[in-house]
Amino acid sequence: GAGVSQSPRYKVAKRGQDVALRCDPISGHVSLFWYQQALGQGPEFLTYFQNEAQLDKSGLPSDRFFAERPEGSVSTLKIQRTQQEDSAVYLCASSFLEGEKLFFGSGTQLSVL
Amino acid sequence: GENVEQHPSTLSVQEGDSAVIKCTYSDSASNYFPWYKQELGKRPQLIIDIRSNVGEKKDQRIAVTLNKTAKHFSLHITETQPEDSAVYFCAVSGSSNTGKLIFGQGTTLQVKP
Repeated sequence: GAGVSQSPRYKVAKRGQDVALRCDPISGHVSLFWYQQALGQGPEFLTYFQNEAQLDKSGLPSDRFFAERPEGSVSTLKIQRTQQEDSAVYLCASSFLEGEKLFFGSGTQLSVL
Repeated sequence: GENVEQHPSTLSVQEGDSAVIKCTYSDSASNYFPWYKQELGKRPQLIIDIRSNVGEKKDQRIAVTLNKTAKHFSLHITETQPEDSAVYFCAVSGSSNTGKLIFGQGTTLQVKP
């Protein structure tokens, strides 16, 4: 089937705007992760879902970041009152089970002006 | 928490030569070690992975070796081709339960024709 799908591919926001980034994992994948990748850096963990349960949100940089996966499939990462330091590529990844191979989406490149 | 160091940050080789990238980690409980290839503007793609009960794994021109005692693992690419040019990231599973990955800083590999 299709791989991990993310939308939008690019997002430009004015400082202070709220944004919502969408992730469609591979069908049937239980685990879903969000990562943030700054330019020239490796991805950094933000949060993890097992089905609809958010089991780890230790990587979220502030309370402006919120993620949900209400039906255990599609996930949304929301950033409120965006700041310039939020500019990065936001990657979603999924795996069939815990500890299994992780497959990444192409990411959403967020630019905050 | 887990710390992953990756070297070198850049690597330039002649087509047909071998390339080796090394990573060290700090948490002796880590048990999963994948390598991802990321081309410019593209998603990270899993190219090979190894678990802690195995010392070496090979897939055609790519191999990974793991030394758990020394807490380091390496990616070996033989007979390099120009299409191998990309950024390579090592990663370590910081928890055996979730598959949450801690990434290295990346190595930019350039294969000169």
